[in-house]
Amino acid sequence: NAGVTQTPKFQVLKTGQSMTLQCAQDMNHEYMSWYRQDPGMGLRLIHYSVGAGITDQGEVPNGYNVSRSTTEDFPLRLLSAAPSQTSVYFCASSPGLAGVETQYFGPGTRLLVL
Amino acid sequence: AQSVTQLGSHVSVSEGALVLLRCNYSSSVPPYLFWYVQYPNQGLQLLLKYTSAATLVKGINGFEAEFKKSETSFHLTKPSAHMSDAAEYFCAFNNFGNEKLTFGTGTRLTIIP
Repeated sequence: NAGVTQTPKFQVLKTGQSMTLQCAQDMNHEYMSWYRQDPGMGLRLIHYSVGAGITDQGEVPNGYNVSRSTTEDFPLRLLSAAPSQTSVYFCASSPGLAGVETQYFGPGTRLLVL
Repeated sequence: AQSVTQLGSHVSVSEGALVLLRCNYSSSVPPYLFWYVQYPNQGLQLLLKYTSAATLVKGINGFEAEFKKSETSFHLTKPSAHMSDAAEYFCAFNNFGNEKLTFGTGTRLTIIP
């Protein structure tokens, strides 16, 4: 099993550009989440999904969109990148509720917005 | 507000010494509590979790944590630090048993040879 994979590893964007961060898992987990990690702030939940076709907002959803067309994939879209979105982004999946079950994290995508 | 607080953003211990990383929570109901570890340039992985089955929870790599309701704490300990323990440690919390996990701000552990 590859677990949770994320692409790209690194990305540099200019302000106003859009891009999609890819996330895939091969563990047949229903629950998937996107977090951003900023120094001194821990991880903050952006969006999450409890199954294909079902998504909801987390703590910091503004400027991001998600969709979940399959169990395996959960892409995160930046609509119009801003310097405040410079961060490290982690995707995670879990076999049950993220607040109860173990989450499995991808290796992260480091994003720099100029 | 329901939350989790990690005391000390940086902790340094000598190799072989006791590791103690502090986590306090604020909740009106029994919470679910987790410790995750992040090694350099990697994602997070679970060390251990408390889900009310036992107050002393043993995790991987010799770590353990004790849930103390009277102190609203869930501190992480390891009797003898190893160089490979150098990492960032996150306490995380959920008090509704739902989809959302709230993370603390993290503690970076440095091991002194």
